[in-house]
Amino acid sequence: DAKTTQPNSMESNEEEPVHLPCNHSTISGTDYIHWYRQLPSQGPEYVIHGLTSNVNNRMASLAIAEDRKSSTLILHRATLRDAAVYYCILLMDSSYKLIFGSGTRLLVRP
Amino acid sequence: NAGVTQTPKFQVLKTGQSMTLQCAQDMNHNSMYWYRQDPGMGLRLIYYSASEGTTDKGEVPNGYNVSRLNKREFSLRLESAAPSQTSVYFCASRPIGGLAKNIQYFGAGTRLSVL
Repeated sequence: DAKTTQPNSMESNEEEPVHLPCNHSTISGTDYIHWYRQLPSQGPEYVIHGLTSNVNNRMASLAIAEDRKSSTLILHRATLRDAAVYYCILLMDSSYKLIFGSGTRLLVRP
Repeated sequence: NAGVTQTPKFQVLKTGQSMTLQCAQDMNHNSMYWYRQDPGMGLRLIYYSASEGTTDKGEVPNGYNVSRLNKREFSLRLESAAPSQTSVYFCASRPIGGLAKNIQYFGAGTRLSVL
C-alpha cells in the first residue's frame, strides 16, 4: 500500500482557512485519496475523497496536484469543532482497506 | 439514525479472561471491519468481512477471532485477554455499491483495559 506523509500538528485561528497538506509520492493510478478526521474520543468520520480532479463538499475542499503526488485538504473557515486528527489515506478501488497513518492534529485557537 | 452501534462502551478485564465485543449496523451495508487504536497512533485493521459469511485477517489479527453473525452484526472475541490488547476498538461498515461505496462509517468505540 502506498504511504502518505503528513505534518504531526498544525494550528489555526477560528474562522480562518486551514490548508492541511499530504504527500503521497508513490501513489499509483488507481489509488483514491481519502480524508477522514477523528474528533476527541470519537470514531473517525469521512471528510472527502477524490481521484484526479479537485472536489468540494459541505465539509471541505480537496485540492489534488496535477501529478497526484500531493494533495491539500482545505477547511474554508475553521471552527472550534474542527479541532481533530486528520488522516490522509490512499485507497485502491479494489482494496477497500483503510491504512491509517498517525495523521495531523489540528488545533484551533478561539 | 443509529448507524454503527458498539457495545459495551467501556470494559475492564483481568489477564486471561475472555470477552466479546459486539457491533451492529442498521444501514444494510455488506462490508464490516474491526480496528484497534493504541494511544497516539492511527487505527490498525484487525479483521474484516467483505460480505455475510466471509471473514479475512487484517494487519493485526493475532489474539482475536471474529464472527459475522448476519448482515447486521460482526463480533470480535478475545479468548484470553492480554495487557497488550488494552486499546480502543472501533467497528466500521461500508456499502458495496453506489456513490458511497468507498466510505467507511465508524462506531463510537469500545475502550478496553486489560490488567
